[in-house]
Amino acid sequence: GIQVEQSPPDLILQEGANSTLRCNFSDSVNNLQWFHQNPWGQLINLFYIPSGTKQNGRLSATTVATERYSLLYISSSQTTDSGVYFCAVERRDYKLSFGAGTTVTVRA
Amino acid sequence: GAVVSQHPSRVICKSGTSVKIECRSLDFQATTMFWYRQFPKKSLMLMATSNEGSKATYEQGVEKDKFLINHASLTLSTLTVTSAHPEDSSFYICSARQLTGEDANTEAFFGQGTRLTVV
Repeated sequence: GIQVEQSPPDLILQEGANSTLRCNFSDSVNNLQWFHQNPWGQLINLFYIPSGTKQNGRLSATTVATERYSLLYISSSQTTDSGVYFCAVERRDYKLSFGAGTTVTVRA
Repeated sequence: GAVVSQHPSRVICKSGTSVKIECRSLDFQATTMFWYRQFPKKSLMLMATSNEGSKATYEQGVEKDKFLINHASLTLSTLTVTSAHPEDSSFYICSARQLTGEDANTEAFFGQGTRLTVV
């Protein structure tokens, strides 16, 4: 099956700092999504980004499909950004394969 | 975005009993639903895929007699953990998609998840 690797596994930030999360995948994919899992377990859709660049407020994402990676940028981080960020790639059968996640802790 | 509602959010049950978890799509018709399991501090693992009106297909290593999935309508799928044991304790989360038609979803949306504890 397809392999999805996220880095770093853990990230500790001071409030206001910027950061970049990376997602590498081993094969071509139909789609890619970024999620934020809050402390209660809810998966929040951040980006649907099979290719190109998107921005939503302080978050932005870039996927370079030909090189099989995606980046999630967090700017001016806030304590509410804490949680686990997952990258998931969609195969031809619409099934999502998740990476192991990046746990982000933002300190005030 | 599309709304997916999962119920209950948490449940505690005695070993040997069965537990049913519901997943509903509130504002779209879910032709396909996916059930995932997540262990503490781990990633999400796909358990099974169900299409409305058809039998679910299970991923390798998932016991279909243990985890019964029903997708009887375009807005509701259920996961029943039968004869639950402590090792079934986990976080279960569903995803619903409309994969056909003009309103087909381009992305996956998830329910709130269910934390199951078997004592």
